[in-house]
Formats: sequence, structure tokens, C-alpha cells
Amino acid sequence: GAGVSQSPRYKVAKRGQDVALRCDPISGHVSLFWYQQALGQGPEFLTYFQNEAQLDKSGLPSDRFFAERPEGSVSTLKIQRTQQEDSAVYLCASSLQKGLAGFYEQYFGPGTRLTVT
Amino acid sequence: DQQVKQNSPSLSVQEGRISILNCDYTNSMFDYFLWYKKYPAEGPTFLISISSIKDKNEDGRFTVFLNKSAKHLSLHIVPSQPGDSAVYFCAASVGGGSNYKLTFGKGTLLTVNP
Repeated sequence: GAGVSQSPRYKVAKRGQDVALRCDPISGHVSLFWYQQALGQGPEFLTYFQNEAQLDKSGLPSDRFFAERPEGSVSTLKIQRTQQEDSAVYLCASSLQKGLAGFYEQYFGPGTRLTVT
Repeated sequence: DQQVKQNSPSLSVQEGRISILNCDYTNSMFDYFLWYKKYPAEGPTFLISISSIKDKNEDGRFTVFLNKSAKHLSLHIVPSQPGDSAVYFCAASVGGGSNYKLTFGKGTLLTVNP
């Protein structure tokens, strides 16, 4: 019973580099979420997928951030031309689609800690 | 503008006593409230939730209380154990449709002393 996995766990990037963060959700989970957690803050919503469809990307801070889930399972969050303010832990979560039980729970991965120098 | 607020950054209690963690929210549209627990270097783990149609939900040592008129919820842990030491996040969501995103507070670090 594997949980949500993320890779890499740690990433150091020089300012201006592009990075790609991977999320493997729990098998069968329809919904997938990305959150950004800055130091001392709670997680903040970035984007949401239902299967391969990106239904909400209102939390993406700029057009340098791009997420995809082409086959409805694995997802990648890409950050282009990284800036120091992008330094944070990026959390991925997955859940069964709401409606099956009237309640949903998001299962989180361990996160990727991105440091931009 | 923080829609979910946890005003106590930290809380320290003795083992066996009650821990009470508080959370306030401003968005009247929230209809699900959740508590997550987080250990260092791990992702948040779901603890307990409550729907806005209820005012209390209990699961073992954990009870969540919701006061909608005050836009306030609290998590009670009785009795507290050293293994409960972690950061606790309050989260809320607006149900319906496909908008399941969670809005989190900043968290409260709970330390349970043996």
C-alpha cells in the first residue's frame, strides 16, 4: 500500500534554472493537488487536476509555473527561470473524487524541498 | 488576507493533560474543516474532520468542535501523549463541484512533555 511519493526530495537550483518536480499519487486516486509551503507558513494551493484535466490553476503564482498530468496518474510541476522566492516545500496530494462517500481526504506526499541560490 | 487563522504558533502541555488547539476562519462559504498533523520532513497527515452541518466530531482521543456563529473551531486531544508532539494545521474547503482545494492556517507546534 504505497502512499503518495515525490521526487526528488531535495533540489538545489541556481537562480534562472528550470526545475521539474514529480508526483506519483496513490493508485486509483482521481484528484491530484499541488501546494507550496513557504517556511513558517501553511501549505498554499497551487493547482488541481481531475484525471488529466487541470480544473483549477488559480494558485499558480506566475506563468513561470506549469503543471501537467498527461495520463491522469503521474504529475509534474515545472518551474521555469527559478527565483529565490520560489524556495519552498512543494507538496503533492491525491484523493478519491468527492461524491463517493460525501467526504474526501487528501493524502499528502513528503514534499520536495526546493532551494534557489 | 488569511482566511484561516491559527493565532497560537506553539503550545506546550504535560503528558496526560488536555491539549486544545484553536482555529478561526473568515470565509462563510467554508463547509468542511479538517485538522492535519505534520512531523518534520514528512507530509501532513489527516487527523479528523467536521462538516459544517455538525458541531462536534469525535475519534478516539481527538475531538473537533465547530462554532459556526463565531467562525471558530478547536481540536481537543485527551489525554495528550508525547507522540502527539507535531505541528497541527487547521484547513477548510468550500465543497461542491470540483473545487476541493484546502486553505490552511499557519500551524501550531504542539509539544507534549513527559
